[in-house]
Amino acid sequence: DTEVTQTPKHLVMGMTNKKSLKCEQHMGHRAMYWYKQKAKKPPELMFVYSYEKLSINESVPSRFSPECPNSSLLNLHLHALQPEDSALYLCASSPTGGTEAFFGQGTRLTVV
Amino acid sequence: KQEVTQIPAALSVPEGENLVLNCSFTDSAIYNLQWFRQDPGKGLTSLLLIQSSQREQTSGRLNASLDKSSGRSTLYIAASQPGDSATYLCAVGGSQGNLIFGKGTKLSVKP
Repeated sequence: DTEVTQTPKHLVMGMTNKKSLKCEQHMGHRAMYWYKQKAKKPPELMFVYSYEKLSINESVPSRFSPECPNSSLLNLHLHALQPEDSALYLCASSPTGGTEAFFGQGTRLTVV
Repeated sequence: KQEVTQIPAALSVPEGENLVLNCSFTDSAIYNLQWFRQDPGKGLTSLLLIQSSQREQTSGRLNASLDKSSGRSTLYIAASQPGDSATYLCAVGGSQGNLIFGKGTKLSVKP
């Protein structure tokens, strides 16, 4: 089983809302990632968690707040987003850093 | 700063053709290189991972090569099928698993 599950699949939120994206894997992977993909662009790394600790933050604005409560779960908390934050948010996991990454199907986020 | 380039940006071929997708990167200090496929509006499907010490990997009709010193990788698809139509992304990886992607090659295989 190489499945990474993301919920919700679609999300529409206002600029004053607070919402969360969820990512789950049960492959025993100890590295998890958030990527952002704008339309017709490649994915761009946002955060890397290794053994539940944040190891890379690619200078992401504080309106995006990641959380890794346990080794199977990764959340991305959103607040006060802007319309330009609308994108496909992809979660990935790998056994450890530097090994094969597996991606979820993404959450399509629209900020209105 | 690492930059990843994929050529061509788009490719249309008749069914049954063998084809090659190209990927180049500017900094040879990579940990690995991974090829993905992405269908419209969907997530990424991992195709092949090549570690920096390896020269090639094969999976079914796919073969990927890596020449780290020259900063190049190729993905060879044999006997293409309409179901192969998708965008193919090349990504170079660091030791923490951080991936830097190229812009992709959009492949269309016509019946």
